[in-house]
Amino acid sequence: AQSVTQLDSQVPVFEEAPVELRCNYSSSVSVYLFWYVQYPNQGLQLLLKYLSGSTLVESINGFEAEFNKSQTSFHLRKPSVHISDTAEYFCAVSEKNQGGKLIFGQGTELSVKP
Amino acid sequence: KAGVTQTPRYLIKTRGQQVTLSCSPISGHRSVSWYQQTPGQGLQFLFEYFSETQRNKGNFPGRFSGRQFSNSRSEMNVSTLELGDSALYLCASSLAGGSKEKLFFGSGTQLSVL
Repeated sequence: AQSVTQLDSQVPVFEEAPVELRCNYSSSVSVYLFWYVQYPNQGLQLLLKYLSGSTLVESINGFEAEFNKSQTSFHLRKPSVHISDTAEYFCAVSEKNQGGKLIFGQGTELSVKP
Repeated sequence: KAGVTQTPRYLIKTRGQQVTLSCSPISGHRSVSWYQQTPGQGLQFLFEYFSETQRNKGNFPGRFSGRQFSNSRSEMNVSTLELGDSALYLCASSLAGGSKEKLFFGSGTQLSVL
């Protein structure tokens, strides 16, 4: 069965510092990988996804994630965070032919301090 | 284009009652999936509907049910409410529900069971 583990429940960081949010998954079949972000009192928004091809994927607001098949990881990084990046981040996987079913990690609360 | 709309935003019910939540997907989207979000269990997949048919189901008891109408709007019903059903219920839509697709989430319905 699929599972997703986000290794840190909370990550406090100062503004302009780099950050890495860690995600590991387990699955017996090929998966697609996603990072979603949830701002307070809002639904989730897609940040980026890995489907195939280049293992490094980027979002429009400076986040990037690297798919590592051998380590079954999909860690999210940003070289310099802003106060506005404060939110909860969810790593998720979907299996081929499973439609809109996503398996989510427990989430990582990123808190950016001035 | 309007986003995913969930109504009501907040609900308070008592144990034993039943509740119906509504979700209107983005215009043109035919797949609707539902998720339960709690602090303890995180985000868990409930079910997915596509063209009025349930295509996928999570690991929830039969008290949780749903349906989708011909205009792609979806409802979720929980019968015989228990305290543990208190959660944020999120609806997400996508064009065809493919496992590669981006899901668009609503802001959720916050259900409190007293």
